[in-house]
Amino acid sequence: KNEVEQSPQNLTAQEGEFITINCSYSVGISALHWLQQHPGGGIVSLFMLSSGKKKHGRLIATINIQEKHSSLHITASHPRDSAVYICAVRSGYGGATNKLIFGTGTLLAVQP
Amino acid sequence: EAGVAQSPRYKIIEKRQSVAFWCNPISGHATLYWYQQILGQGPKLLIQFQNNGVVDDSQLPKDRFSAERLKGVDSTLKIQPAKLEDSAVYLCASSLGGGGYGYTFGSGTRLTVV
Repeated sequence: KNEVEQSPQNLTAQEGEFITINCSYSVGISALHWLQQHPGGGIVSLFMLSSGKKKHGRLIATINIQEKHSSLHITASHPRDSAVYICAVRSGYGGATNKLIFGTGTLLAVQP
Repeated sequence: EAGVAQSPRYKIIEKRQSVAFWCNPISGHATLYWYQQILGQGPKLLIQFQNNGVVDDSQLPKDRFSAERLKGVDSTLKIQPAKLEDSAVYLCASSLGGGGYGYTFGSGTRLTVV
């Protein structure tokens, strides 16, 4: 069993729909990252969370430390949101040696 | 601010050849990471530097892979000799420190070994 699980693995939505991607983890963490990866390999960091909720434009990320669960929401989805969304957790409680553990990603396709 | 720069973007080599990738992190970022991402999988950490020292290289196949960050700024990752299973995207990332703040990825180098 992976230490970081994402669901769904694949998601197809119509433009304008509200989208939710879920991430569950089984290790103690100091932070959780949501990343966006477009075809071609480049990765962009969307959020880094250690508690609560963050919002940036149409993107909202929440984390529940007790339940070891995070969600990424996209409101009013658009075809340009089509990408792979990756959840990654930083194990442990800070410090130079803590690793990022990645989920396998959620492939999102938003159709016009 | 400028992002994490990587070169080349693409590389095709034959098996048993050598290849080197270069990464220039964001100015002031002490921590530099090299990841290997095989198609359909999440990135796997190969090596982590803190300034010019190695923090974690436990998943680096040291018989063929090497990496250095001599002056604590830019870094090179080398594969010698390459195998077919090394075909992947090699991602470089940097952060302000080990806590994950300012974590930024480069665009990656897509390596194809034929």
